[in-house]
Amino acid sequence: GDSVTQMEGPVTLSEEAFLTINCTYTATGYPSLFWYVQYPGEGLQLLLKATKADDKGSNKGFEATYRKETTSFHLEKGSVQVSDSAVYFCALSSGYSTLTFGKGTMLLVSP
Amino acid sequence: NAGVTQTPKFQVLKTGQSMTLQCAQDMNHNSMYWYRQDPGMGLRLIYYSASEGTTDKGEVPNGYNVSRLNKREFSLRLESAAPSQTSVYFCASSELGRRSVDGYTFGSGTRLTVV
Repeated sequence: GDSVTQMEGPVTLSEEAFLTINCTYTATGYPSLFWYVQYPGEGLQLLLKATKADDKGSNKGFEATYRKETTSFHLEKGSVQVSDSAVYFCALSSGYSTLTFGKGTMLLVSP
Repeated sequence: NAGVTQTPKFQVLKTGQSMTLQCAQDMNHNSMYWYRQDPGMGLRLIYYSASEGTTDKGEVPNGYNVSRLNKREFSLRLESAAPSQTSVYFCASSELGRRSVDGYTFGSGTRLTVV
């Protein structure tokens, strides 16, 4: 079955540091890939997505590239801010009715 | 604003009490979902409804029932609440059944405590 594996957190960074959160997946066919963000006390929001191999999703300075050869969709940001502190979830859709989520990675950014 | 609305936002129940969590979406999505989120466990799917008139069990359905009242509304019922059901509950909707690329839209959650 489908599965998503994310690096365990928390990831602790200083403001303006470079961020990478790793995500790898197992799926049949050609899934769509997503990153969601959950700020404290809120629901999940779609951050970015990619629907085919080599696509790059981007939003709010975050980027992720759909790498079919390595089955990965790593999230990156060049310079994090305190306001980026949140939990980040990687997810995939194989064309069925449900998304498959990773367990989430908490990011803590200090001033 | 278009989206997914959950009520209530907070609830405290005594063990054995029942309650229904309400969810409504105004995006004309076919599919709706109920998840629970617990520390260290990520999101776990309780039930989902791929289309109006259908419901299916997810990963953790025991102790819950659902009703897809119409295309807009999908409720989650706890018949006899237990402390193990203390959690944050999220409703979501999507067009995934049609191979949509838009993923889910989530509600803001219901924080339930069972004492």
